[in-house]
Amino acid sequence: QVQLVESGGGVVQPGRSLRLSCAASGFTFSGYAMHWVRQAPGKGLEWVAVISFDGNNKEYADSVKGRFTISRDNSKNTLYLQMNTLRPEDTAVYYCARQQYSGSWAPADNWGQGTLVTVSS
Amino acid sequence: DIVMTQSPDSLAVSLGERATINCKSSQSVLYSSDNKNYLAWYQQKPGQPPKLLIYWASTRESGVPDRFSGSGSGTDFTLTISSLQAEDVAVYFCQQYFFTPLTFGGGTKVEIK
Repeated sequence: QVQLVESGGGVVQPGRSLRLSCAASGFTFSGYAMHWVRQAPGKGLEWVAVISFDGNNKEYADSVKGRFTISRDNSKNTLYLQMNTLRPEDTAVYYCARQQYSGSWAPADNWGQGTLVTVSS
Repeated sequence: DIVMTQSPDSLAVSLGERATINCKSSQSVLYSSDNKNYLAWYQQKPGQPPKLLIYWASTRESGVPDRFSGSGSGTDFTLTISSLQAEDVAVYFCQQYFFTPLTFGGGTKVEIK
């Protein structure tokens, strides 16, 4: 079955960097676009970024554009989120999620359990 | 950006009764070329990631009970739970996937009365 396992979260000081990973299994990773979505404690969902199945197309939320970079390694079945210049408002659980299908934008039909990022001095 | 507004913020419904959640988008998410509404609904239970319930505004994801239904078109959408069960206690989110940035509604918390 589809499995997505995030890692790399933790406590980091403002201005520092962190890289999240999402290991995928149970499906043909290279055939699907992938998303990062975050959720601040006790708050709603915020879409962060998407990458196409081949890595050639990427889109970002305005709140992270220029600071975060989404990437993927299809040979390793792994999705990444490089987060630079972190701010306290980036504190959230970060979920990776598989897009339902490729071709255009689509909802996320499988989600990981999330990894918590806390930005605090 | 397309703003998604959900109402109410929370509702309490008796077991077996109907629950109705509304979602309004700041611009139409109906694509004229394929006549599809790019609108999804998710359910999130405490401590769990979201789960996709409905896509294309009214298509149930595989395995989702038929007491969940979605309706609406253009800018106004509804998620209905026809007969609330105890396991339906959760927060429900709508999401548009018509344009990036993909945007979510603020969520509606459903509880048992």
